[in-house]
Amino acid sequence: ILNVEQSPQSLHVQEGDSTNFTCSFPSSNFYALHWYRWETAKSPEALFVMTLNGDEKKKGRISATLNTKEGYSYLYIKGSQPEDSATYLCAFSGGGADGLTFGKGTHLIIQP
Amino acid sequence: KAGVTQTPRYLIKTRGQQVTLSCSPISGHRSVSWYQQTPGQGLQFLFEYFSETQRNKGNFPGRFSGRQFSNSRSEMNVSTLELGDSALYLCASSGKQGLTDTQYFGPGTRLTVL
Repeated sequence: ILNVEQSPQSLHVQEGDSTNFTCSFPSSNFYALHWYRWETAKSPEALFVMTLNGDEKKKGRISATLNTKEGYSYLYIKGSQPEDSATYLCAFSGGGADGLTFGKGTHLIIQP
Repeated sequence: KAGVTQTPRYLIKTRGQQVTLSCSPISGHRSVSWYQQTPGQGLQFLFEYFSETQRNKGNFPGRFSGRQFSNSRSEMNVSTLELGDSALYLCASSGKQGLTDTQYFGPGTRLTVL
């Protein structure tokens, strides 16, 4: 069973502050690392899919980095806004028959 | 393009019954994956179908099965329902790269087993 850990489990951030959280995954047999944002009562929404060591991706105020050799990815949110409140999930693919393994998520709350 | 659709959205069943859930992917997507979300376990991968073939399978008992039709629509079946099968079931579709492609999720089916 693959182990994908996300930290912290939850995070309260003041509006306007920047924040980041971590996803740890197995450093062997890496295929892809996904990030999703899941707002209450909505479907998970794709943020990034990263496949190469050293990948950096950006979408507006949100960016992510990937280190496959040490098995971690960071998600950064710059200048947090109330609409950023959501659970952020990462998912690891080792290319095998296990499919996608999700972490339990980081629940982000932006306080006005 | 229309998004991923799932039917029904809500379902109540009793222990021992069976249930079939349906997922229609985004037009042109040939990969459909199924996931179970429970408060304790988070989001767990059930299986992936690509061009009518099961390509990947998660760690779930044989009571959970699926299939995919030639139009890429997929169904998931759970037989002999248990209380622990109460969950939100999500499907996602993606392009030809399957699980290394972006997954586009449907709204889910909320299953309650009494």
